[in-house]
Amino acid sequence: DAGVIQSPRHEVTEMGQEVTLRCKPISGHDYLFWYRQTMMRGLELLIYFNNNVPIDDSGMPEDRFSAKMPNASFSTLKIQPSEPRDSAVYFCASSRRRTGQRNTEAFFGQGTRLTVV
Amino acid sequence: GNSVTQMEGPVTLSEEAFLTINCTYTATGYPSLFWYVQYPGEGLQLLLKATKADDKGSNKGFEATYRKETTSFHLEKGSVQVSDSAVYFCALRALEYSGGGADGLTFGKGTHLIIQP
Repeated sequence: DAGVIQSPRHEVTEMGQEVTLRCKPISGHDYLFWYRQTMMRGLELLIYFNNNVPIDDSGMPEDRFSAKMPNASFSTLKIQPSEPRDSAVYFCASSRRRTGQRNTEAFFGQGTRLTVV
Repeated sequence: GNSVTQMEGPVTLSEEAFLTINCTYTATGYPSLFWYVQYPGEGLQLLLKATKADDKGSNKGFEATYRKETTSFHLEKGSVQVSDSAVYFCALRALEYSGGGADGLTFGKGTHLIIQP
């Protein structure tokens, strides 16, 4: 399995522009998570999906952020308009709930390093 | 709510030294506990996990024991190597379907470990 695939690996954009981050979870996984990592705040859960349905988006910082999962193999995180304080590394992770097993681990992608100038 | 507290870094040790990185948690319900490692420029990788009290997770010479009475999950290694230099994250995942974002992993802020030859 190729693991969780994120694109692009690096993104530099100007303030005010729209940014779209992409994620392909591991095949067969029914949970997908978006995290943001910064020096100041560490790793923050932004939103997660179960079976393509957004379950909890309470971590999404503002209305400028939106996430979709149109099918089991693809998700996007969009920032519109972007601001310099959005600069961070954004990670996508996926996991699978196995019958009889508690709280299985999440597998992370390589991340997208976003710089907004 | 759920939270994870781990010792602040950076932690600098000499090769072959004994390592302890402290981690304590608060959680609703009965969480599973994880240690993730992040090497420079990469995503997070699961290092080890424990799903119930007194379980010991181990991998690559690292160990951590789930201590429910002290709500702790300290990471230890008897003899560290330069290649262990990375950022280590303690995390928990509460019972699934308990709502409020509990299905997402809650991370500590990470401990940067530097091993000198």
